[in-house]
Amino acid sequence: DAGVTQSPTHLIKTRGQHVTLRCSPISGHKSVSWYQQVLGQGPQFIFQYYEKEERGRGNFPDRFSARQFPNYSSELNVNALLLGDSALYLCASSLEDNLSYEQYFGPGTRLTVT
Amino acid sequence: GQQLNQSPQSMFIQEGEDVSMNCTSSSIFNTWLWYKQEPGEGPVLLIALYKAGELTSNGRLTAQFGITRKDSFLNISASIPSDVGIYFCAGQLGEYGNKLVFGAGTILRVKS
Repeated sequence: DAGVTQSPTHLIKTRGQHVTLRCSPISGHKSVSWYQQVLGQGPQFIFQYYEKEERGRGNFPDRFSARQFPNYSSELNVNALLLGDSALYLCASSLEDNLSYEQYFGPGTRLTVT
Repeated sequence: GQQLNQSPQSMFIQEGEDVSMNCTSSSIFNTWLWYKQEPGEGPVLLIALYKAGELTSNGRLTAQFGITRKDSFLNISASIPSDVGIYFCAGQLGEYGNKLVFGAGTILRVKS
């Protein structure tokens, strides 16, 4: 079975631009979460979506937004990019949004802002 | 916000040695997870712990959920070169919702 997939793999953007990152969860998984991982640190929670509804939001500015589609795939959008947005963006999926279900991560999208 | 203190920050050990790393928090977590991340990859789930005091093994890996629910440790026995990577602990809060709080990671290097 395919794991969590993310696209694109790498992306280079300029300050002020916007970016859309995509995630397809493991088949059957209804919950998708997004994390930002800056070099040398652990992942930091951005959003969680379950059944197309936002279930949680981390401490990130309004420039960050996300949505989940009927097929449970998800997009993360970041507007007005800053240099500090350069990071590995990880998507994780789980069967349900209950903490009894483990989260599985995709390979991530490496975003570089110049 | 919640923080996890993970130690040690890095380890450089001889192949065959046992490894121990731990995570502590000022908050109580309902679930503890241990992940391994290799360069250019996302974190891979190693072990999930759901009950205080629970001790779980996965091959050469053993992890425990602390009785106070504020700590967890991971042991790797008889390390091999492919154990190299960054190991993260993660805690999950609340009854619902999937927000994970991660430690800063332990970098493991194995000398063969």
